[in-house]
Amino acid sequence: EVQLVQSGAEVKKPGESVKISCKTSGDNFSNSWIAWVRQMPGKGLEWMGIIYPGDDDTRYNPSFQGQFTISADKSLTTAYLQWTTLHDSDIAMFYCARRDSRGWLVHWGRGTLVTVSS
Amino acid sequence: EIVLTQSPDTVSVSPGERATLSCRASQSVSGYLAWYQQKPGQAPRLLIYDASNRATGTPARFSGSGSGTDFTLTINNLEPDDFAVYYCQQRYHWLATFGQGTKVEVK
Repeated sequence: EVQLVQSGAEVKKPGESVKISCKTSGDNFSNSWIAWVRQMPGKGLEWMGIIYPGDDDTRYNPSFQGQFTISADKSLTTAYLQWTTLHDSDIAMFYCARRDSRGWLVHWGRGTLVTVSS
Repeated sequence: EIVLTQSPDTVSVSPGERATLSCRASQSVSGYLAWYQQKPGQAPRLLIYDASNRATGTPARFSGSGSGTDFTLTINNLEPDDFAVYYCQQRYHWLATFGQGTKVEVK
């Protein structure tokens, strides 16, 4: 069974950095794309970007370009989403999701809530 | 970027009735469209992929149709568990996008 386990909620101050994780199990980590999806409070789903851990091919939504970095560690079968400088506007729930062989997001993590407050 | 516009924003339906949700794309996405269900406090769940195929575990009362720019999700005989927010998503373009969501609420 494929599982995606996300790291716990984070509470940060503006200007701080954070790295959240998505640990996968149950399938070949290197051969599946992992996507990150943002959901701001009370809002819809937004595609942030996607990574193929096999060769670290990473594609970002241009609307988010430069705000964060997506990475993966094959040895740990874990994908990451990190910010070097958080802003008040970064408050959201962030989901990782694994794309299946048909290209759809079948398996999802439970989400990581990032709160930014001074 | 392909923009997906869902309508209506909210639909009020009584249990046992039918709900019809629409998703319109700003350009053709062929059949590369999926529907997800999200309940409060939960991650989205894939319901329909490739416009009309039910994902594993999706009840038969859910059906999807359409191609090109116009797609429909129909939920027949609504059950209490079906009241949720539904999102469409396209992957025709390398930059996948979601619609803004339609909330199905109890009438």
